[in-house]
Amino acid sequence: DQQVKQNSPSLSVQEGRISILNCDYTNSMFDYFLWYKKYPAEGPTFLISISSIKDKNEDGRFTVFLNKSAKHLSLHIVPSQPGDSAVYFCAASGMNTGNQFYFGTGTSLTVIP
Amino acid sequence: GAVVSQHPSWVICKSGTSVKIECRSLDFQATTMFWYRQFPKQSLMLMATSNEGSKATYEQGVEKDKFLINHASLTLSTLTVTSAHPEDSSFYICSARTISGRDYEQYFGPGTRLTVT
Repeated sequence: DQQVKQNSPSLSVQEGRISILNCDYTNSMFDYFLWYKKYPAEGPTFLISISSIKDKNEDGRFTVFLNKSAKHLSLHIVPSQPGDSAVYFCAASGMNTGNQFYFGTGTSLTVIP
Repeated sequence: GAVVSQHPSWVICKSGTSVKIECRSLDFQATTMFWYRQFPKQSLMLMATSNEGSKATYEQGVEKDKFLINHASLTLSTLTVTSAHPEDSSFYICSARTISGRDYEQYFGPGTRLTVT
């Protein structure tokens, strides 16, 4: 049972524009969420996180929004750069998951120069 | 930042042999390490959680006798794929969780690509 879902397997965006990656979850006990960036044949790299007490967290070009009532989070990248092209995974964790993370299926972002 | 290494980065082995993959946290201590498996174009699948000095906790559907995990120290965990078969070919990734600071953060290793012929 996929508790974290990323319904868009791929996304293409023009350089300089905004990239919006979406993630939905089903477990209402999740209280901590992260976004990872992954290049082929490499391990994921932590990007940004948000806890359930917040609805927004910003770090440079990256902003994560959390809508708890909708069980939805999104990652905004502004402005998008060609080096942002990678697969982005969202992950969720909570007290009832033993602090283990559950990952979405990933969204492959391509930023077109 | 915290660095996690894996060795080897790529291994080819014959069917029926065993392969050991090492995961090390280089500049921090990790009481908990996680092992993931990734199939092409699929999500990271958690295989097991490894706590230093105790037995690993395996996810449902993961054969603990086939995927042996040892977490002998605060900086080293190993995954041994025993009697490997072609269907075990995959990308294996470990991660380590820091025990201080922002303890929700997990740092991932670069991954090990296993090909069983």
